[in-house]
Amino acid sequence: GNSVTQMEGPVTLSEEAFLTINCTYTATGYPSLFWYVQYPGEGLQLLLKATKADDKGSNKGFEATYRKETTSFHLEKGSVQVSDSAVYFCALKWRSGGSNYKLTFGKGTLLTVNP
Amino acid sequence: DSGVTQTPKHLITATGQRVTLRCSPRSGDLSVYWYQQSLDQGLQFLIQYYNGEERAKGNILERFSAQQFPDLHSELNLSSLELGDSALYFCASSVEGRANTGELFFGEGSRLTVL
Repeated sequence: GNSVTQMEGPVTLSEEAFLTINCTYTATGYPSLFWYVQYPGEGLQLLLKATKADDKGSNKGFEATYRKETTSFHLEKGSVQVSDSAVYFCALKWRSGGSNYKLTFGKGTLLTVNP
Repeated sequence: DSGVTQTPKHLITATGQRVTLRCSPRSGDLSVYWYQQSLDQGLQFLIQYYNGEERAKGNILERFSAQQFPDLHSELNLSSLELGDSALYFCASSVEGRANTGELFFGEGSRLTVL
């Protein structure tokens, strides 16, 4: 079936460190890929997305490239800040039939950035 | 502010009881989704409504039910509550059709504690 697998956390980094959170997917057809972020005490919000192979999504210094050959969509940031501490979710949007789409989330990765 | 409103924010109740969670979607969004977030299960899709009709069902227990009203607000009813139902319940909304980019807009969640 269609699914996403993301690296288990928690991930703890020092400020200004490089961040990678791995995400791989299994899907048929041509899915879209997303990263959502959940800050403490809040709901999820879209961080970035990519709708086709080789697309790069970027926002707030975060980037992820849709790699069809490796079925991956890894999230990266060159220099993290304390304010980036949050839970990050990789998600897959796929056609479930007709004009219906489904969004499947990974389990989430908790990132803590220490000053 | 995502524009999605959920009430109540916190709810404490006893096993065997029944509760109703309420969600008002973003203005203009016809689709409403319900998710359950717990530490062990991650983010689980429960059910989706589109313009008053059920569109997709996920891992929703038979003790749970939902509906979407003509004004597009939605309610999630949880009955015969068990300790394991303690979780954060999120509502999300989205546009549909050609405007659908796959982005969901999440509310801040309703935290249910069953004692």
